[in-house]
Amino acid sequence: EAQVTQNPRYLITVTGKKLTVTCSQNMNHEYMSWYRQDPGLGLRQIYYSMNVEVTDKGDVPEGYKVSRKEKRNFPLILESPSPNQTSLYFCASSLLPGLAVYNEQFFGPGTRLTVL
Amino acid sequence: DQQVKQNSPSLSVQEGRISILNCDYTNSMFDYFLWYKKYPAEGPTFLISISSIKDKNEDGRFTVFLNKSAKHLSLHIVPSQPGDSAVYFCAASVDQAGTALIFGKGTTLSVSS
Repeated sequence: EAQVTQNPRYLITVTGKKLTVTCSQNMNHEYMSWYRQDPGLGLRQIYYSMNVEVTDKGDVPEGYKVSRKEKRNFPLILESPSPNQTSLYFCASSLLPGLAVYNEQFFGPGTRLTVL
Repeated sequence: DQQVKQNSPSLSVQEGRISILNCDYTNSMFDYFLWYKKYPAEGPTFLISISSIKDKNEDGRFTVFLNKSAKHLSLHIVPSQPGDSAVYFCAASVDQAGTALIFGKGTTLSVSS
């Protein structure tokens, strides 16, 4: 089944404790992206990757890192999490970096992170 | 400054009637617009898109209208069904490369039977 998977789905951690949220897609998509969703703010893009070893900042990259060593994986790294990073995180992928109707982004199920 | 605005946080419609969800944007450089639907505990799913060279795109019960001069787009759902109850996000990008997708805050649609 074609899908985007994220792990963990739920995580409660403490300030300053490094964590990684994994994202994997099995569709051979080139483009991957991370978003966070906050009440009253909608979805905001954190980082995106056009292809392996190519990453770039989105709207709200501060406090986050990403890597794209393989096509299928795009982990989100919080080196020193803070309470303002408590949020719902979504990973997404699309076949190509494009927005045509046939090339929409597929989203993962989300990771709910709480930083105490 | 919010570049993509969905000013109605919620909308309630009866089954069978039309649902109209609105979205305004401020960046005249936006060239592509998309609508995503999101159910609780799931990731958003793509619904329909439109490029700035068009003013209308239709897919079954869903139609998106774009008014570039007014910097306004709307999503029409006809007829509305209870399964359409979800949060709808409007999104925009400055180019087809999709390097920066800007989302609105979302509108929660409730369709009652």
